[in-house]
Amino acid sequence: GESVGLHLPTLSVQEGDNSIINCAYSNSASDYFIWYKQESGKGPQFIIDIRSNMDKRQGQRVTVLLNKTVKHLSLQIAATQPGDSAVYFCAETGSGGYNKLIFGAGTRLAVHP
Amino acid sequence: EAGVTQFPSHSVIEKGQTVTLRCDPISGHDNLYWYRRVMGKEIKFLLHFVKESKQDESGMPNNRFLAERTGGTYSTLKVQPAELEDSGVYFCASSSGVNTEAFFGQGTRLTVV
Repeated sequence: GESVGLHLPTLSVQEGDNSIINCAYSNSASDYFIWYKQESGKGPQFIIDIRSNMDKRQGQRVTVLLNKTVKHLSLQIAATQPGDSAVYFCAETGSGGYNKLIFGAGTRLAVHP
Repeated sequence: EAGVTQFPSHSVIEKGQTVTLRCDPISGHDNLYWYRRVMGKEIKFLLHFVKESKQDESGMPNNRFLAERTGGTYSTLKVQPAELEDSGVYFCASSSGVNTEAFFGQGTRLTVV
């Protein structure tokens, strides 16, 4: 069946360092791949998405890389800040449309001063 | 502008009881989605409304779950009778279009004892 999984359940980084969160997906038919951030007590918050015909997309301090050959997705956060501490989810659209998402299990990012 | 709001934030009920969760989407958003995350597992899609119509309810686990969106505004998700395995966090999201960013509510944590 379809599945999206994460390589690392937790990631600890020093403030100011760059963070890389990885994700594997299985459905080659997905049109979009999306990263969400979930802070404690809040719902998932959209960070950035990338369409399947792209391999890189940049936002403010974040970059998403898509490697379709090995079905791998990553989120890079530059100059990680304490406010970046959260659980990060990757998600793919599968064959069901942009918001019928298939989520991964989540990676907790802990930023230490 | 208010975001997606969910009520209650927490609910503890006994097995066999009924619980109704409510979601108020962002005003003007025709698309409304329900997701849930049961303990230790990924966030999973439940269903999608377009206005008052169920567009896709393929993720609903069984007939103990009933979602409604009368009038195309707020939505309710009723669980009757609740079972222990229904415990988890139920998220609602809304979007203005089918292929536009979905905004999530803070979730309702349901505990069935």
